[in-house]
Amino acid sequence: QKEVEQNSGPLSVPEGAIASLNCTYSDRGSQSFFWYRQYSGKSPELIMSIYSNGDKEDGRFTAQLNKASQYVSLLIRDSQPSDSATYLCAIRGGFQKLVFGTGTRLLVSP
Amino acid sequence: GAVVSQHPSWVICKSGTSVKIECRSLDFQATTMFWYRQFPKQSLMLMATSNEGSKATYEQGVEKDKFLINHASLTLSTLTVTSAHPEDSSFYICSARGDSGGAYEQFFGPGTRLTVL
Repeated sequence: QKEVEQNSGPLSVPEGAIASLNCTYSDRGSQSFFWYRQYSGKSPELIMSIYSNGDKEDGRFTAQLNKASQYVSLLIRDSQPSDSATYLCAIRGGFQKLVFGTGTRLLVSP
Repeated sequence: GAVVSQHPSWVICKSGTSVKIECRSLDFQATTMFWYRQFPKQSLMLMATSNEGSKATYEQGVEKDKFLINHASLTLSTLTVTSAHPEDSSFYICSARGDSGGAYEQFFGPGTRLTVL
């Protein structure tokens, strides 16, 4: 089992809809979780970090963490074509290293 | 805040030459920096972790004599690809771990695209 699993997609949503991206992880002791956005040919950009169970909102983005079920999700409200990118889920593992999922490609159509 | 720069953004070199890539944390001190490599349509691959003033820790399968990492200060780390070959052509991205309002988060540089002819 991979440490961090994501559906590779693509996840296609129409403009204005809610995009829901999911991630599961295997290390029950993980405490720190991150969502990065990566546009094609660019480096990852940190969108959200979450450390406690529940929801964390920042603008159109909401991160949700459920440690008991070992999943973390990212909701993007009012999706825009500019949100089209690959979204990487990451957890902080040993020696402070981030463990990344393979990413979910999101396509937002006008 | 939390800006990480990389230089150069792209480089083309001949096979057998060495290339140095610089990574700087511009507005915070980074005790730990990470170097990643990413091939087209693949995920990030961690190459090594460097802590200021100490030797880098390389991931399994990464040749430390080929990829020289120096982390001489809290704001600068360098990656030197020695005797580069075409198979080393890739997107190299550094990342710096810094304190963001009390929580340590990892911020990425814009990346360096290396093409070895």
